[in-house]
Amino acid sequence: QITLKESGPTLVKPTQTLTLTCTFSGFSLSTSGVGVGWIRQPPGKALEWLALIYWNDDKRYSPSLKSRLTITKDTSKNQVVLTMTNMDPVDTATYYCAHDVRSYFFDWGQGTLVTVSS
Amino acid sequence: SYVLTQPPSVSVAPGQTARITCGGNNIGSKSVHWYQQKPGQAPVLVVYDDSDRPSGIPERFSGSNSGNTATLTISRVEAGDEADYYCQVWDSSSDDRVFGGGTKLTVL
Repeated sequence: QITLKESGPTLVKPTQTLTLTCTFSGFSLSTSGVGVGWIRQPPGKALEWLALIYWNDDKRYSPSLKSRLTITKDTSKNQVVLTMTNMDPVDTATYYCAHDVRSYFFDWGQGTLVTVSS
Repeated sequence: SYVLTQPPSVSVAPGQTARITCGGNNIGSKSVHWYQQKPGQAPVLVVYDDSDRPSGIPERFSGSNSGNTATLTISRVEAGDEADYYCQVWDSSSDDRVFGGGTKLTVL
């Protein structure tokens, strides 16, 4: 059984850096073809893909947010970390991590709501 | 970057067929994936690679993709199908994942 769980702060101040951790089980990020992605969803709005990291450490970022995002992995801990700099109230959203399989997201975490406010 | 366009809402009576479209430039050349999201829950993959269903997804959910439009079809719609539906593709030119704007399915 594959599970993913997001963790991190629920509240960040404007201009701060957000760090979110995805802890997963049931698959290995050292297996060829496997990836873990981050997707966010502002309240009442659509899903937005943010970043993806592959088993071979290749990384992909949303073009519109690339300058603010960093994704890393710790294969031994089964974790993927996303950092987003210079947070703004418009970044208030539920952030999901998901297991990427051949370009689609087969398994999702429950999501974590991050509010950006002073 | 690649853009996917979905109608904001679709309404259907119970027992009828719902069709949710996803438009994109030559989307027929890409693999399209569909997710169902109910309020307060994470998305669930219901169709992948245009028309395949994950284990546990009812056969009532089907997909097609041709030209500039992909379609998610839900047959014999039930009240429990009421949800937001999102299409998603892989933009091979950039290796980006792209989501559509979502469609709210209302069961009348």
